[in-house]
Amino acid sequence: KAGVTQTPRYLIKTRGQQVTLSCSPISGHRSVSWYQQTPGQGLQFLFEYFSETQRNKGNFPGRFSGRQFSNSRSEMNVSTLELGDSALYLCASSPDLGPNEQFFGPGTRLTVL
Amino acid sequence: AQSVTQPDIHITVSEGASLELRCNYSYGATPYLFWYVQSPGQGLQLLLKYFSGDTLVQGIKGFEAEFKRSQSSFNLRKPSVHWSDAAEYFCVGETSGTYKYIFGTGTRLKVLA
Repeated sequence: KAGVTQTPRYLIKTRGQQVTLSCSPISGHRSVSWYQQTPGQGLQFLFEYFSETQRNKGNFPGRFSGRQFSNSRSEMNVSTLELGDSALYLCASSPDLGPNEQFFGPGTRLTVL
Repeated sequence: AQSVTQPDIHITVSEGASLELRCNYSYGATPYLFWYVQSPGQGLQLLLKYFSGDTLVQGIKGFEAEFKRSQSSFNLRKPSVHWSDAAEYFCVGETSGTYKYIFGTGTRLKVLA
């Protein structure tokens, strides 16, 4: 079974631009979560989607948004990029809601110049 | 506020020595607890998890962890460390109903030959 895939793997953007990251969960998994990883703040939860609905949200500004499609694939969007948005963005999937193991993708490395 | 604390940012051990990584949690109720490992260039991988029941849980790669409610701790142990164990280890908590992972700050393990 294929793992969680994230595209693109690397991105370079400039301040003020917007970016969209994509995540394909493991086949059959219906829950997708997004995390931001930075050296200073560590791993922080962004949001979780299940059945195309956002079920939970972390403490990030409204510039960070996401969505989930009917095939469980998910995208996250960051608008008006700031230098501090430079990070590794990780996507994780799990079969269902609840205290499940989450399977992580390799991440998208975003650099904002 | 819910939190997971890993007091040690860096730990260095010799190959073959025993290892204990500390994790403390602060939750209103007993959380679901996990240990993940992140190796360079690789995604996060689950080592073990605790939901309820036996307080000593066994994981992959020879790791185990013990849940101690009285100390609000969930320390990770391995009797004999291998060079390939060098990585960053994250303790994670999740409370029933939130479906939101809270990561500790991570402990970077260095293994000396």
